[in-house]
Amino acid sequence: QSVLTQPPSVSGAPGQRVTISCTGSSFNIGAGFDVYWYQQVPGTAPKLLIYDNNSRPSGVPERFSGSKSGTSASLAITGLQTEDEADYYCQSYDNSLSGFWVFGGGTKLTVL
Amino acid sequence: EVQLVQSGAEVKEPGESLKISCKASRYTFTNYWINWVRQMPGKGLEWMGSIYPGDSDTRYSPSFQGQVTISVDKSISTAYLQWSSLKASDTAIYYCARQGGSSWLNWFDPWGQGTLVTVSS
Repeated sequence: QSVLTQPPSVSGAPGQRVTISCTGSSFNIGAGFDVYWYQQVPGTAPKLLIYDNNSRPSGVPERFSGSKSGTSASLAITGLQTEDEADYYCQSYDNSLSGFWVFGGGTKLTVL
Repeated sequence: EVQLVQSGAEVKEPGESLKISCKASRYTFTNYWINWVRQMPGKGLEWMGSIYPGDSDTRYSPSFQGQVTISVDKSISTAYLQWSSLKASDTAIYYCARQGGSSWLNWFDPWGQGTLVTVSS
């Protein structure tokens, strides 16, 4: 069981909007620690998608956006494209006994 | 562009030792934390531990404390992850990743390309 909970899979048709949730607790997201999102295309290393809850690194399309509220965070992808098909992971810092950096279990996005 | 280049794939037998590497370039190596992340076959990402090359301050996940050793060689801008006695359950891809900023509470970016470690008799 991951400290951060994500749905195992989501899907959408090209052009649609999907969201991926990331639920934590008062020890991590709810404690005010920032949330980061990564995209991992099968067979490649993870790539930073969102940092500090809602900021995009240069080169990441505006179609990707992040938000955070309470003990949860979300990644939204609008105007789905076939190349968005990948695994997505959220990450935050945890100050309980479970360790320091924690990841969500990952969400597989399928573009139908 | 900041770059992390990891050593190549390894095939080992249970009980053997192993040290894999992560060579950094195009930034001041001593100023940023380096992390190690495990990804078992078909599974998600797990943070193993981090090291600050400037003073070798090292922090481990409780799940990996005592199971692996993280170290650096500042003279060649390289971080290491090592095992003294591998188990079949250590079979995984191991990624190194730099902290995005110079402080502890920062995202991981960039990532190395990953090192596949296969442990099998």
